[in-house]
Amino acid sequence: DAGVTQSPTHLIKTRGQQVTLRCSPKSGHDTVSWYQQALGQGPQFIFQYYEEEERQRGNFPDRFSGHQFPNYSSELNVNALLLGDSALYLCASNSGTGIYGYTFGSGTRLTVV
Amino acid sequence: AQKITQTQPGMFVQEKEAVTLDCTYDTSDQSYGLFWYKQPSSGEMIFLIYQGSYDEQNATEGRYSLNFQKARKSANLVISASQLGDSAMYFCAMSLVGGSNYKLTFGKGTLLTVNP
Repeated sequence: DAGVTQSPTHLIKTRGQQVTLRCSPKSGHDTVSWYQQALGQGPQFIFQYYEEEERQRGNFPDRFSGHQFPNYSSELNVNALLLGDSALYLCASNSGTGIYGYTFGSGTRLTVV
Repeated sequence: AQKITQTQPGMFVQEKEAVTLDCTYDTSDQSYGLFWYKQPSSGEMIFLIYQGSYDEQNATEGRYSLNFQKARKSANLVISASQLGDSAMYFCAMSLVGGSNYKLTFGKGTLLTVNP
């Protein structure tokens, strides 16, 4: 049973560029959340998608946007990249409205130079 | 707002011994859940154990147990019989139950090193 799959695993971008990260949830899961984990810190909640809508958003600027597709996979887009956007981006999936049972992917390591 | 505090940046333990990782939390809500995750160098967050705020018994999962002291707002993780493979970052997290809040709030983590 495949868990959460994220792509790419590593990415290097230049300041000002745009980036798209992708996430396929665990089979049977319909909800996807995105987290940013800076070096030496705990993950910070970016937003959550359920039924193709952004259901909750954390304290991140509008440069961070997302999308959920009918097959429940999701994309995270970041525009106008800043050096401070360098981080590990984690995707987590679960079912419906519960808080229990989150499954995390291994993340995308984004480096902005 | 919810807040998680992990005051131990790093901990060392000898193989086969027990270790306690500290976690305190802050919330004004009555209904919440507490989680512990393990993050090896591969980056994936691995779920270890969950405690609901209304659970009267401390949660246990194999070698992991959660020492839940509600009045002190603490949720310490106890790992018994440590193994070399337990070396990793450990994160305490919480989420509210019910309403329209679905996010996990994490602490800064504790790096556990198990020595042979």
